[in-house]
Amino acid sequence: KNQVEQSPQSLIILEGKNCTLQCNYTVSPFSNLRWYKQDTGRGPVSLTIMTFSENTKSNGRYTATLDADTKQSSLHITASQLSDSASYICVVSDRGSTLGRLYFGRGTQLTVWP
Amino acid sequence: GAVVSQHPSWVICKSGTSVKIECRSLDFQATTMFWYRQFPKQSLMLMATSNEGSKATYEQGVEKDKFLINHASLTLSTLTVTSAHPEDSSFYICSARVRGGFEAFFGQGTRLTVV
Repeated sequence: KNQVEQSPQSLIILEGKNCTLQCNYTVSPFSNLRWYKQDTGRGPVSLTIMTFSENTKSNGRYTATLDADTKQSSLHITASQLSDSASYICVVSDRGSTLGRLYFGRGTQLTVWP
Repeated sequence: GAVVSQHPSWVICKSGTSVKIECRSLDFQATTMFWYRQFPKQSLMLMATSNEGSKATYEQGVEKDKFLINHASLTLSTLTVTSAHPEDSSFYICSARVRGGFEAFFGQGTRLTVV
């Protein structure tokens, strides 16, 4: 069964601190993995997208890693800001159809305190 | 990045009435649009996939007669919740893709409350 599991479910950190979110997946075949940020009551916004051959990709203070062998990914946030408080969703796309079906994790709810 | 505009952002309706949600790709042609539903603290659940000019493909368990999807043009898809009931209250999100493209661009979402 194709699944995407994220941990932790929720996380609270102090402003300025770093944190790492985890994503494990069993989706096969694999096409690409994306990390999205979803603010409460808003649609997801793309942070990074990585294909099979990419191990790391950065977008400002966000750095995503991918280990396609172990089917794990992480999202590292450096120097957190209050505006980073949101749900971070890991999404994996398969290669099984021309549309590339998306499999969503439940997200990690990050809260940044001042 | 590409912009997907979803309207309205929130709506409250009476039980038994119908509600239409619009999803527009503002600066690109979306050959495929997806409609998702999200309950609190849950992941997005795909409801249906629609390609421009053809009938939508619904996921198992989603009533096609209740959730009418129209994708009449390359920039507009609509979701109509017919005879809405309180259990239909949820956050509905559309997503659009360009043909052959990896990226999926999401709308802002619509909070539907049925009273």
